[in-house]
Amino acid sequence: DSGVTQTPKHLITATGQRVTLRCSPRSGDLSVYWYQQSLDQGLQFLIQYYNGEERAKGNILERFSAQQFPDLHSELNLSSLELGDSALYFCASSATLGGWVGEKLFFGSGTQLSVL
Amino acid sequence: GESVGLHLPTLSVQEGDNSIINCAYSNSASDYFIWYKQESGKGPQFIIDIRSNMDKRQGQRVTVLLNKTVKHLSLQIAATQPGDSAVYFCAETRLKAGTALIFGKGTTLSVSS
Repeated sequence: DSGVTQTPKHLITATGQRVTLRCSPRSGDLSVYWYQQSLDQGLQFLIQYYNGEERAKGNILERFSAQQFPDLHSELNLSSLELGDSALYFCASSATLGGWVGEKLFFGSGTQLSVL
Repeated sequence: GESVGLHLPTLSVQEGDNSIINCAYSNSASDYFIWYKQESGKGPQFIIDIRSNMDKRQGQRVTVLLNKTVKHLSLQIAATQPGDSAVYFCAETRLKAGTALIFGKGTTLSVSS
């Protein structure tokens, strides 16, 4: 168990809808990262927050947004959903801003989003 | 664009054999590399890392080799076990705040007993 909690585990919705994915980082971790994993694109970095502020942005669509709250949990909002948004969405956390260094980046088990 | 890729999408080995998973990276500015293991239904899990000032790093049953000349990374798993069956990703980045960790597409390792 990585200590990172993601809810829900599975989400089925229709095109055009809006969903919110939730992530609780490990206790004490200040950075939260969101990744999208699909079969053809692999793991794509979406966005990073550190202590409530956006710190790095990757291939995140304008229809997607995220935020990190004062209690450090994070939400990823996906709107105007399309079939191609179906993927596994991972949250990861780390204690520091530059959390790429080895075991300091911990991944949750993901939310499987299916857009029908 | 910049990307990290793997040579083979799948690798099948017998239990007890040594496994070698390869990865090519394209960004010569990358100075930090990580191998992750992802088991079915779980998120990626750190295996081993290496910085660009090193050529080799060893862990428990795993070794990472870095060849900066040809921008190649490999993960060697000794005495492969069924529990090693998973998808393995290499990832690259620069040790600089605000720099993304870029993952390759993954190699699925299947270990038969």
